[in-house]
Amino acid sequence: LAKTTQPISMDSYEGQEVNITCSHNNIATNDYITWYQQFPSQGPRFIIQGYKTKVTNEVASLFIPADRKSSTLSLPRVSLSDTAVYYCLVGVTIAGTYKYIFGTGTRLKVLA
Amino acid sequence: DAGVTQSPTHLIKTRGQQVTLRCSPKSGHDTVSWYQQALGQGPQFIFQYYEEEERQRGNFPDRFSGHQFPNYSSELNVNALLLGDSALYLCASSLGDPNSPLHFGNGTRLTVT
Repeated sequence: LAKTTQPISMDSYEGQEVNITCSHNNIATNDYITWYQQFPSQGPRFIIQGYKTKVTNEVASLFIPADRKSSTLSLPRVSLSDTAVYYCLVGVTIAGTYKYIFGTGTRLKVLA
Repeated sequence: DAGVTQSPTHLIKTRGQQVTLRCSPKSGHDTVSWYQQALGQGPQFIFQYYEEEERQRGNFPDRFSGHQFPNYSSELNVNALLLGDSALYLCASSLGDPNSPLHFGNGTRLTVT
């Protein structure tokens, strides 16, 4: 059974860099990797998306190795408002069927 | 520019009943996906609609069905509700490209008693 796994939780202090890794062994060949942030009682919010190597936007960077079986979301200098659950999302092909699979989610807690 | 809107925000139903949830996509988006998120879990893919057809489906029974209208809005129907169907139901819209990022609404909280 294809699984997309992430660390369950992480703690960090304000101003630090945080790296969250997602393992996705069954990623479909042409599929992108997307990361989302979710606050309680809200829908997930798009952070960043990439296919390979490195992508950077105004809030995060995404590192994807050549085999694309994992990806790392990097938040450069976290603040208290970054406390949330972070999910990766990939498309996988299982028994010939394409499906979107969210990761297990990483609960990030930023401390003052 | 309105984002994704879902209605109702909360709903309480009894086992065996049927429920319909509604979603209006972000302006300019033509694809709607539905997800189920149990408490403390990640979203689980139910299905995706594009051009009024179900394009992909996750591992959900036939009790879960949907529809997309010509204006791209969508409905999720669940028949014969079970206690285990209690969850946050999320709608996401996107462009037709499968790799287009999803834009989520804030969901409908369904409680089955």
